[in-house]
Amino acid sequence: DQQVKQNSPSLSVQEGRISILNCDYTNSMFDYFLWYKKYPAEGPTFLISISSIKDKNEDGRFTVFLNKSAKHLSLHIVPSQPGDSAVYFCAASEGGGYQKVTFGTGTKLQVIP
Amino acid sequence: AAGVIQSPRHLIKEKRETATLKCYPIPRHDTVYWYQQGPGQDPQFLISFYEKMQSDKGSIPDRFSAQQFSDYHSELNMSSLELGDSALYFCASSLGRGREQYFGPGTRLTVT
Repeated sequence: DQQVKQNSPSLSVQEGRISILNCDYTNSMFDYFLWYKKYPAEGPTFLISISSIKDKNEDGRFTVFLNKSAKHLSLHIVPSQPGDSAVYFCAASEGGGYQKVTFGTGTKLQVIP
Repeated sequence: AAGVIQSPRHLIKEKRETATLKCYPIPRHDTVYWYQQGPGQDPQFLISFYEKMQSDKGSIPDRFSAQQFSDYHSELNMSSLELGDSALYFCASSLGRGREQYFGPGTRLTVT
């Protein structure tokens, strides 16, 4: 039972353009969402997060949007850079503190110079 | 800035052997999580500890055990290894109820 889903296994974007990575979840108890970036042979690197009380959080080139009614979130990267090429995992957790993170299946982003 | 340290980075074991993976959290982080990522899969939560007590448990086999020590480092002990245990094992740490978990580089376990 995949509670966090990333339906696009891969995405290619031209350098300088916007990258939009999508994520859907099924567990309505999730109240905190995170995006991680992962390079081969490295651990996931935390990028940005959003609490369910917000619908948008921005950090530099990265913006996460949350649509609770649709159980959908997205990560926007503007402008995309070749160094952004990696696998991006959407993740979610529920409740307060000490909670495990449930990961999506990942989207491999390739930014073409 | 100091990150999560995992050792060893690579480990090769035979079936039915035992393995011990170590995790050193970011300084002052008191919560440790273990995840397993099989080939082509997303990381799956195994177990977590807060202040040396188990705080949550996921899909960890009974053959595996873990603990967190007084210096907050954690060890994942794996016995009677099976071929299917071959995976990347990630450790992550956080500060108390902090929702962001910071991951280590992982230990790649290969069981032959």
